Amino acid sequence: AQKVTQAQTEISVVEKEDVTLDCVYETRDTTYYLFWYKQPPSGELVFLIRRNSFDEQNEISGRYSWNFQKSTSSFNFTITASQVVDSAVYFCALRMNRDDKIIFGKGTRLHILP
Amino acid sequence: EAQVTQNPRYLITVTGKKLTVTCSQNMNHEYMSWYRQDPGLGLRQIYYSMNVEVTDKGDVPEGYKVSRKEKRNFPLILESPSPNQTSLYFCASSLSLGTNGYTFGSGTRLTVV
Repeated sequence: AQKVTQAQTEISVVEKEDVTLDCVYETRDTTYYLFWYKQPPSGELVFLIRRNSFDEQNEISGRYSWNFQKSTSSFNFTITASQVVDSAVYFCALRMNRDDKIIFGKGTRLHILP
Repeated sequence: EAQVTQNPRYLITVTGKKLTVTCSQNMNHEYMSWYRQDPGLGLRQIYYSMNVEVTDKGDVPEGYKVSRKEKRNFPLILESPSPNQTSLYFCASSLSLGTNGYTFGSGTRLTVV
């Protein structure tokens, strides 16, 4: 069975600190996709990144970076020099290739304190 | 503007009164999906559709129906709503497997009393 675990329910850091959100997944499929979404206080869901199972390259986008490690089934998300606007709930998700079933983690609520 | 449109945004209804939440996308996406979001449980997939007339169950399909008669629309039907279906619902669409994730609608907050 597929599963996504975000063990950190809630994190608070002071502005400008770096913070890492953990995501661990389980699947027996060899082809799959991993995603991160952001849900700010306004409630919409914003796509951040997609990574397929064949591509273990880490990615950096501005202050955001993602570390995908198949060996540990993890897809962690780091925000560098955090800002108050980063305050949101962040979801990690796993999508199969054979169908369109998507499993979301329960989310990590991130508070960036000024 | 490319978007997924859900209606209504807010709905309060009574137990047992059939309702439909509409979802429409203007991006010619093949894949569409419904989710419910509950505190502490994250998002859970209700149903998904990989093409017209093709639908399949997600993790929590009980009490819901969907249809995909045309590519752009994917309505969610609650034939006999119950209070445990009080939730925030999201519709989403995607061009194909492996593309950049889903585009989500703005959500429908449903309260069943």
